Amino acid sequence: DADVTQTPRNRITKTGKRIMLECSQTKGHDRMYWYRQDPGLGLQLIYYSFDVKDINKGEISDGYSVSRQAQAKFSLSLESAIPNQTALYFCATSDYGTGELFFGEGSRLTVL
Amino acid sequence: GDSVTQMEGPVTLSEEAFLTINCTYTATGYPSLFWYVQYPGEGLQLLLKATKADDKGSNKGFEATYRKETTSFHLEKGSVQVSDSAVYFCALSRNQAGTALIFGKGTTLSVSS
Repeated sequence: DADVTQTPRNRITKTGKRIMLECSQTKGHDRMYWYRQDPGLGLQLIYYSFDVKDINKGEISDGYSVSRQAQAKFSLSLESAIPNQTALYFCATSDYGTGELFFGEGSRLTVL
Repeated sequence: GDSVTQMEGPVTLSEEAFLTINCTYTATGYPSLFWYVQYPGEGLQLLLKATKADDKGSNKGFEATYRKETTSFHLEKGSVQVSDSAVYFCALSRNQAGTALIFGKGTTLSVSS
């Protein structure tokens, strides 16, 4: 099994719907992240959390919210999805101090 | 603010050709530098890293040297293979508590046989 698991892997939804992307990890890391990938734009940080009680906004947090339910679980929500949120979303984890990120396989979201 | 700039792709090479992907950065202090690779349909995975000036990171035949004087961390490989076709991302970490990695926009490499 993967160390960082994202669900769902693919989702098609309609404008205005609420969507939740879930991430769980078995690496025992305190730090978790949500990134968005768009062609030609690389990875942009949405939110990150350095422990269960810590939530921080990234570069592009507008329109998104997160919940850190436990050390191993970090979910991303789109309260009212819009078409320009169509993208590939990645969850990642890291240990303190190393800087190395461990990524899930991605969740492809399409908003019609 | 801190940033990473990579050469734009796509880069198209024949098998056994020499590869260079340029990466420069802007950062205060002494960041750590990384190259990540994303194979088709997969998440990113760490390829190599360097944590201080003049360090050379290497893995799978790829190398990159942390050059503080030119603020660069160029990725090189002497002889690419078809299996190296992927998207390559340069990234930096500011090594400060409470910060996350900053990524470049990625460079697509396509290697043909």
